[in-house]
Amino acid sequence: EDQVTQSPEALRLQEGESSSLNCSYTVSGLRGLFWYRQDPGKGPEFLFTLYSAGEEKEKERLKATLTKKESFLHITAPKPEDSATYLCAVWGSGYALNFGKGTSLLVTP
Amino acid sequence: GAGVSQSPSNKVTEKGKDVELRCDPISGHTALYWYRQSLGQGLEFLIYFQGNSAPDKSGLPSDRFSAERTGGSVSTLTIQRTQQEDSAVYLCASSLDRVDQPQHFGDGTRLSIL
Repeated sequence: EDQVTQSPEALRLQEGESSSLNCSYTVSGLRGLFWYRQDPGKGPEFLFTLYSAGEEKEKERLKATLTKKESFLHITAPKPEDSATYLCAVWGSGYALNFGKGTSLLVTP
Repeated sequence: GAGVSQSPSNKVTEKGKDVELRCDPISGHTALYWYRQSLGQGLEFLIYFQGNSAPDKSGLPSDRFSAERTGGSVSTLTIQRTQQEDSAVYLCASSLDRVDQPQHFGDGTRLSIL
């Protein structure tokens, strides 16, 4: 059975303090790993798809990387508007994504 | 263009009642998904529709849950004889076709069972 574990559960950063979020996964035959951002009361918003180990994707202050066992979402010089819950999901078998519980990020001024 | 639209945004009902939740996907998207998000839990897959193919119902938690998709567009998730454990946010997503295409989510229906 596919498993996705995200850490930490919650993270508090000062504005400008860079850090990384972790997504560890167990899946038989990874076909894709996805990162989403979710704001309170809203649906998840798509950020990145990674397909194979070694792949990297960037968008503004965010950079996602992938190895054979985990993915990292690096946040460089975060701003308060980056505060949100970040969700990781994997596509292994079947037709649906398997989501982790998310990392709640708070960036303070 | 318009995103995924879900209605109602909030629903409060009594235990034992039936509820219907609606999802309008992005025009042209053939794949449609329903998920459930409970407090402190990850998104839980419920059901997947792809075009005119038979839906993947493997995530439905009990036979009280059912869903249909009419004309390859609008979908309705029905929960019969609601229980308190059904309280959650029900999210709908659509994508162009395959699972690896980015899924675009609606803002969900927050269901509260009294």
